[in-house]
Amino acid sequence: DVKVTQSSRYLVKRTGEKVFLECVQDMDHENMFWYRQDPGLGLRLIYFSYDVKMKEKGDIPEGYSVSREKKERFSLILESASTNQTSMYLCASTTLGVVGKLFFGSGTQLSVL
Amino acid sequence: QQQVKQSPQSLIVQKGGISIINCAYENTAFDYFPWYQQFPGKGPALLIAIRPDVSEKKEGRFTISFNKSAKQFSLHIMDSQPGDSATYFCAASTRGYKLSFGAGTTVTVRA
Repeated sequence: DVKVTQSSRYLVKRTGEKVFLECVQDMDHENMFWYRQDPGLGLRLIYFSYDVKMKEKGDIPEGYSVSREKKERFSLILESASTNQTSMYLCASTTLGVVGKLFFGSGTQLSVL
Repeated sequence: QQQVKQSPQSLIVQKGGISIINCAYENTAFDYFPWYQQFPGKGPALLIAIRPDVSEKKEGRFTISFNKSAKQFSLHIMDSQPGDSATYFCAASTRGYKLSFGAGTTVTVRA
């Protein structure tokens, strides 16, 4: 089975801190994604990557950056965390040629105080 | 601005009943419409999907109905079971992997 692992299940940070969310997948997938999930808003795409060192902005990239130095790892960075970034963050991956089937991690619930 | 509008936000159904969730879209370039199921504490998982060249797809107790002219699609859960209690998301994409999700529907099946 495909496994997408997110480094933390719960995270509490202070306003202004730099925050790193880590995601690792074990199926050699080319595409990786970061979504945030908020009640009433569903899942919104922050960034995605279709290859190592490649990235593309999603629908809500402001306040975030990403890093993909290795194929299996995709990091989401909050340069200066703010309270409106309190959310559930979901990482996902998929392979080229498999249409629309994303494999999600279990999520990181981030609280920014 | 959400590209896929989903309703209702939540619904309660008795065991054995039918759950119906509706989604609508505007972007006619969308060519793939999956539904994802999410249980508490877990990430979403693909449940069933349809392309716009068919009007219906059925997998077990789950059926997608698709109306291309109305730009609407829906998920029907037949003979709903307590184990179906979850949040369901519709989605749409133009290139197969960059999905736009609806807001989600929380389904509660009462025994």
